[in-house]
Formats: sequence, structure tokens, C-alpha cells
Amino acid sequence: AQSVTQLGSHVSVSEGALVLLRCNYSSSVPPYLFWYVQYPNQGLQLLLKYTTGATLVKGINGFEAEFKKSETSFHLTKPSAHMSDAAEYFCAVSDESSGSARQLTFGSGTQLTVLP
Amino acid sequence: ETGVTQSPTHLIKTRGQQVTLRCSSQSGHNTVSWYQQALGQGPQFIFQYYREEENGRGNFPPRFSGLQFPNYSSELNVNALELDDSALYLCASSFWQTNSPLHFGNGTRLTVT
Repeated sequence: AQSVTQLGSHVSVSEGALVLLRCNYSSSVPPYLFWYVQYPNQGLQLLLKYTTGATLVKGINGFEAEFKKSETSFHLTKPSAHMSDAAEYFCAVSDESSGSARQLTFGSGTQLTVLP
Repeated sequence: ETGVTQSPTHLIKTRGQQVTLRCSSQSGHNTVSWYQQALGQGPQFIFQYYREEENGRGNFPPRFSGLQFPNYSSELNVNALELDDSALYLCASSFWQTNSPLHFGNGTRLTVT
């Protein structure tokens, strides 16, 4: 069965520094991959997605992620952190059996703190 | 464009009771999925509905059930509530296409005492 591992449950960066949130997945079929962000007391907002095509995916708020099949990774980056980026970030992979983006397996999340 | 809306935002129930949570899909979306997010964890897939029928289910017991209505809105029903059912319940809508991403509502926080 598919799975997602997010390395580091808490990550702290200084404002203006590089943000790197790590995600590794396992899937026996070509996956769809997603990053979602969750602000306190809110639902999940889609940051970016990889379905097919270009392996470097650009999302909202200056975030991007690169699908690396050989490393089974889909790490999220942003060149310069902003205070408003402080939130919890979830990586997710599509379900193997359905191949559907509607049935996702989520990682346990990474809480990003941005220090002034 | 109207996003996904869920009601109520918070709910407190007693163990053994039944609860109904409601969700209105984003305008134009025809598929609804429900997820459970326990405190400190990622969301877990409960089930999804398309054309008013359940179409895909995660590892949840039958006391979790749902409905989808002709206007694509949906309900999640949980019978015989247990303490471990305390969680944030997230509704998400999408198109039926396999690569259509989920758009989430803000969730219903259920507390079972």
C-alpha cells in the first residue's frame, strides 16, 4: 500500500531563509503527489500538485516541489520564508488501487515556524 | 466561485450518540470525499461519493456512513460514537476525473465525551 513519510515534524527557519520540507513516498504505480497547507482552525489548501509532465512544479505563494522518481521524493521548497508561511504542511500521495487524486494518503505533517 | 462549506463548525456529543455533519460542494464539483483528522495527525480517507453512491472507502467501520444529494451536497453520519471519534472532519469536493485535486472545507470539530 502507498505511504508518505515527512521527515521532521517541526522545522524552524528565519524570515528570508530557504524553506525545505521533505517528503518521501512509496507507491507501486506512478503517483499523483500533492502538498497542502493548513492554517490553525482551517481546512487544507492546495499548494501544488504533480500529476504528469514536468517534474518541477510551481505552486502558490512562491512554493515549488520537484518529483524525483529515483529518490521517491517530492520535497517542498521556497527561496525566502515569510512570516505568513508559518503553518502545518502535508504531503499526500494518490491511492494505488484507484489511481485517483480523490483518495489520498497523507503524511503526518510538518509544522513550519518562521522566526523574525 | 463558492468554496466548500461545512456545518456545524463545532459539535460536542456523548459516547453512544449519533451525529450528522453536512457539506456543500464547491460550485461545479460533482464528487465529495470525507476525511478524518485526529489531533496531531494527517487526514485519513473515510469515503467518497459520486452520483449519489459511495465510490471508494477507507478503513472505517460501517457505523460511518454518508449520503450525497442531487445538488452534490453531502452528509456524514456516525452512529454509536466512541471517544476515538473525536477529530476534525474534513469534507472535500472535486471533479470526477482521476487527477482532479481535492478542495477542502474548514472542517467540523467533533468532540465525544
